[in-house]
Amino acid sequence: QKEVEQDPGPLSVPEGAIVSLNCTYSNSAFQYFMWYRQYSRKGPELLMYTYSSGNKEDGRFTAQVDKSSKYISLFIRDSQPSDSATYLCAMNRGSTLGRLYFGRGTQLTVWP
Amino acid sequence: DTGVSQDPRHKITKRGQNVTFRCDPISEHNRLYWYRQTLGQGPEFLTYFQNEAQLEKSRLLSDRFSAERPKGSFSTLEIQRTEQGDSAMYLCASSLDPTLPLAGYTDTQYFGPGTRLTVL
Repeated sequence: QKEVEQDPGPLSVPEGAIVSLNCTYSNSAFQYFMWYRQYSRKGPELLMYTYSSGNKEDGRFTAQVDKSSKYISLFIRDSQPSDSATYLCAMNRGSTLGRLYFGRGTQLTVWP
Repeated sequence: DTGVSQDPRHKITKRGQNVTFRCDPISEHNRLYWYRQTLGQGPEFLTYFQNEAQLEKSRLLSDRFSAERPKGSFSTLEIQRTEQGDSAMYLCASSLDPTLPLAGYTDTQYFGPGTRLTVL
């Protein structure tokens, strides 16, 4: 069993929809949680990071962490065709402890 | 503002050949990471450096793989005697680990565009 599980999709929604992406994890030592966006044949681009449990909002994006359930989510409001990409969750055990553990990514398509 | 750069962007090689990839991190970033990503999967950690010291290596990094960061700036990843299973995107990332702890700081990793390796 992988330490981070993420449904690969694909997920297809109309423009303007609210998108919900999520990951589960097994290692209770994870403290920092990130969401990256990756366009086809490009490197991952950091969208948001969250420390421990709670919510964080940035524009149309909201990240939620529930450490008791080992579950993290990313919500995208008013989705746009330009949001079409693969979304990767990532996490690590501490603020300076190096390696990231990634989910396999969810492929999202927002159609006009 | 230049981000992380990687060279080459694409490499096609025959099985058994050696290949070397280069990564130039964001200037002043003292940490450098290598990851490997296969189709439909998330990146998997290979190794990372703080300055010139290699601090951690994954079990994925077999003895055919070697990484260096000789002067604490750019890094190279070499694969010897390539196999078809080595075909993947090789991603480099860099981050700044401050000398002194900063409140709220997180080791944010910025990724390069990757080198796509195809082994025939």
